[in-house]
Amino acid sequence: SAVISQKPSRDICQRGTSLTIQCQVDSQVTMMFWYRQQPGQSLTLIATANQGSEATYESGFVIDKFPISRPNLTFSTLTVSNMSPEDSSIYLCSTTTSGAQETQYFGPGTRLLVL
Amino acid sequence: EDQVTQSPEALRLQEGESSSLNCSYTVSGLRGLFWYRQDPGKGPEFLFTLYSAGEEKEKERLKATLTKKESFLHITAPKPEDSATYLCAAMTTDSWGKLQFGAGTQVVVTP
Repeated sequence: SAVISQKPSRDICQRGTSLTIQCQVDSQVTMMFWYRQQPGQSLTLIATANQGSEATYESGFVIDKFPISRPNLTFSTLTVSNMSPEDSSIYLCSTTTSGAQETQYFGPGTRLLVL
Repeated sequence: EDQVTQSPEALRLQEGESSSLNCSYTVSGLRGLFWYRQDPGKGPEFLFTLYSAGEEKEKERLKATLTKKESFLHITAPKPEDSATYLCAAMTTDSWGKLQFGAGTQVVVTP
């Protein structure tokens, strides 16, 4: 299993500013993922973060808006840049473990409100 | 285009009243079908992964089944603590680790 923590748990930010969200996993993992959950919606994948390579972004998400770092096998950050109220969401990181059964674990999320 | 659809959107049950949630999927190649429970203000909690048609998995009052086109989550004799949003997600064979989620079913169980 994997235990994932995120910081901050929530924040209120002004439009035009940036926020960096941290994600820590309690074991070394190859791939980490960042998802967004807009109010009342389900989860949408933003990007995949592999250690030692550039993050891979899904359609509709760009690096200038959501830069990601992956400095080692247990840690990643997601920055939400030049925020607008439309960025108000829950941001979640996750990782997948493989073996007899694949399991994808999620962090508790960072609840962001942009005013 | 890959698609995951859940129904119903919301379900209100009396305690003890069994029911089923549906997750239909249209994907290029299914690697695994995942079920999660999400409580308000929390991240999704993993429940099951199903891989092939005919597979079934159980955990307490929950049982998940898989066919070639859909998955069902059966809740047997639910209790108020089973109230949550239940999410299903598909992982395809060409996108290891990436999950495509359905919109979820919000379940409320009343005493």
